[in-house]
Amino acid sequence: EAGVAQSPRYKIIEKRQSVAFWCNPISGHATLYWYQQILGQGPKLLIQFQNNGVVDDSQLPKDRFSAERLKGVDSTLKIQPAKLEDSAVYLCASSPDRHEAFFGQGTRLTVV
Amino acid sequence: RKEVEQDPGPFNVPEGATVAFNCTYSNSASQSFFWYRQDCRKEPKLLMSVYSSGNEDGRFTAQLNRASQYISLLIRDSKLSDSATYLCVVGSGNTPLVFGKGTRLSVIA
Repeated sequence: EAGVAQSPRYKIIEKRQSVAFWCNPISGHATLYWYQQILGQGPKLLIQFQNNGVVDDSQLPKDRFSAERLKGVDSTLKIQPAKLEDSAVYLCASSPDRHEAFFGQGTRLTVV
Repeated sequence: RKEVEQDPGPFNVPEGATVAFNCTYSNSASQSFFWYRQDCRKEPKLLMSVYSSGNEDGRFTAQLNRASQYISLLIRDSKLSDSATYLCVVGSGNTPLVFGKGTRLSVIA
């Protein structure tokens, strides 16, 4: 079974630039999560989708972050404009039942 | 109080040792409990779910105490390959999975 696919794996941008990450979840998984993991910390939820609807985006900094999940499958997460403190690994995960989550390899973002 | 709290460690133990990690959670309505393992610069992967009656998978034993809102993971006969960060994860039917900061384990030869 194919896992969660994310791209790009690495991205370096200057502050105030924009960046977008892409995620393709495991086929058939209705729930999709975006997590932010800063070095030395556990993953922090940014947004949860159930099919193409948003379930929880309470921790998403909406002034600069946006996410969408078109047709309930792929998802993109965008940051505009980026700040230094956005440097982190952005992890996409999917789940068949809102319980166990399967993670992609993540996108490592460095903002300079 | 943080939603999920873990001792960050690091725990440095010799091969063959038994080591235990603890985790507390604040949401009494939580229904799902997991331990995830994360290797350096890799994504988290499910190690095991935690059930009310406690469960065992080889050298790993997980326990849940709902009254105290406490989860534990016991690793027996530690191997070098067990070196990783162990993340305590809690969820409920209506809320997303919440991760602790993780406990770092180093098993030393």
